Amino acid sequence: EAQVTQNPRYLITVTGKKLTVTCSQNMNHEYMSWYRQDPGLGLRQIYYSMNVEVTDKGDVPEGYKVSRKEKRNFPLILESPSPNQTSLYFCASSPWTSASYEQYFGPGTRLTVT
Amino acid sequence: AQTVTQSQPEMSVQEAETVTLSCTYDTSENNYYLFWYKQPPSRQMILVIRQEAYKQQNATENRFSVNFQKAAKSFSLKISDSQLGDTAMYFCAFIPTGANSKLTFGKGITLSVRP
Repeated sequence: EAQVTQNPRYLITVTGKKLTVTCSQNMNHEYMSWYRQDPGLGLRQIYYSMNVEVTDKGDVPEGYKVSRKEKRNFPLILESPSPNQTSLYFCASSPWTSASYEQYFGPGTRLTVT
Repeated sequence: AQTVTQSQPEMSVQEAETVTLSCTYDTSENNYYLFWYKQPPSRQMILVIRQEAYKQQNATENRFSVNFQKAAKSFSLKISDSQLGDTAMYFCAFIPTGANSKLTFGKGITLSVRP
């Protein structure tokens, strides 16, 4: 089944404790991206990647890191999480071709930082 | 900078009736795509409909259709014969197809379908 998977789905952690949220897609998509969703703000892009070893900042990259060492994986790293990073996080991928720029979303990761 | 505006935070519609959700955007790009995504209580993001900016014809998908006005930078979603399962949050989104490949979402609108 074609899909984007994220792990973990739920995470409660403490301020300053490094964490990684994994994202993997099995559709051989070129484009991958991370978003955070907060009430009243919609979804905001954190980072995106057009290809392996190519990443770019979105609108809210502060406090986050990403890497794209393999085409299928795009982990989101929080080196020192803070309470303002409590949010719902989505990973997405896209074939990024003239036939389709549609984003396929993972199920989301609910992160709470205390 | 590109922006997407959904000015109505909430709407309500009677089952079987028609409702229109509005969206406006601002960009200097000429080639781009527009999307409407649905987010039900499960939180999953589901693509409802897409529109290529170079196509004049409005996209339709079953009960869902758009009114795309490129000059006015407007992209509204019409839901016909509303069903209880349409109750969800709806997001309008914009993405240019050039070097700046950031996807920008509106803040969303909560749609409630009344039985």
